[in-house]
Amino acid sequence: AQTVTQSQPEMSVQEAETVTLSCTYDTSENNYYLFWYKQPPSRQMILVIRQEAYKQQNATENRFSVNFQKAAKSFSLKISDSQLGDTAMYFCAFKQAGTALIFGKGTTLSVSS
Amino acid sequence: DGGITQSPKYLFRKEGQNVTLSCEQNLNHDAMYWYRQDPGQGLRLIYYSQIVNDFQKGDIAEGYSVSREKKESFPLTVTSAQKNPTAFYLCASSTLAGHSREYGYTFGSGTRLTVV
Repeated sequence: AQTVTQSQPEMSVQEAETVTLSCTYDTSENNYYLFWYKQPPSRQMILVIRQEAYKQQNATENRFSVNFQKAAKSFSLKISDSQLGDTAMYFCAFKQAGTALIFGKGTTLSVSS
Repeated sequence: DGGITQSPKYLFRKEGQNVTLSCEQNLNHDAMYWYRQDPGQGLRLIYYSQIVNDFQKGDIAEGYSVSREKKESFPLTVTSAQKNPTAFYLCASSTLAGHSREYGYTFGSGTRLTVV
């Protein structure tokens, strides 16, 4: 069975700094998709970024980028120029076509001024 | 605007009572999902459905039941057999765009269920 591990329960960063959230996963499949979701205090889940496993190029969305290492089964999220609005819980998730998303336990990120 | 609506936002259940959480989407998505969120546990899959009149159990289906009579609706019933139902419940939907594409989920705003 696939599993997703987020080893950092909590992290903190100052405004304008860069922070990296870690995620590892376990699968024997070759084709899959990886996601980072953000859950702010409102508890609304928001898709931050997605990565297709067959693409070597790391995905980027504005200040958010990933470091996808397929052989190491690692999928970290880098947030550049952190803002107060980035304060949230971040979930890493794994999916194969036709199945449901599997989530990690989350990392709570606090951004302070 | 298209979206996914969960109701109620807060729900209180007495011991031994069944309660039903509503989830409706107007995104024309084929698949719908129910997750439970507890502190420190992430999101755990309860049930999911990829087509009307069909659904599959997730990792923690015991004590829960679902139906999918319409494409737009996927209600979740928390039965009296669920011994620890206090949690935050999230419903989500997605397209089934084929093997080559997965775009992730659209989530509802959640229902907080508390046993009183």
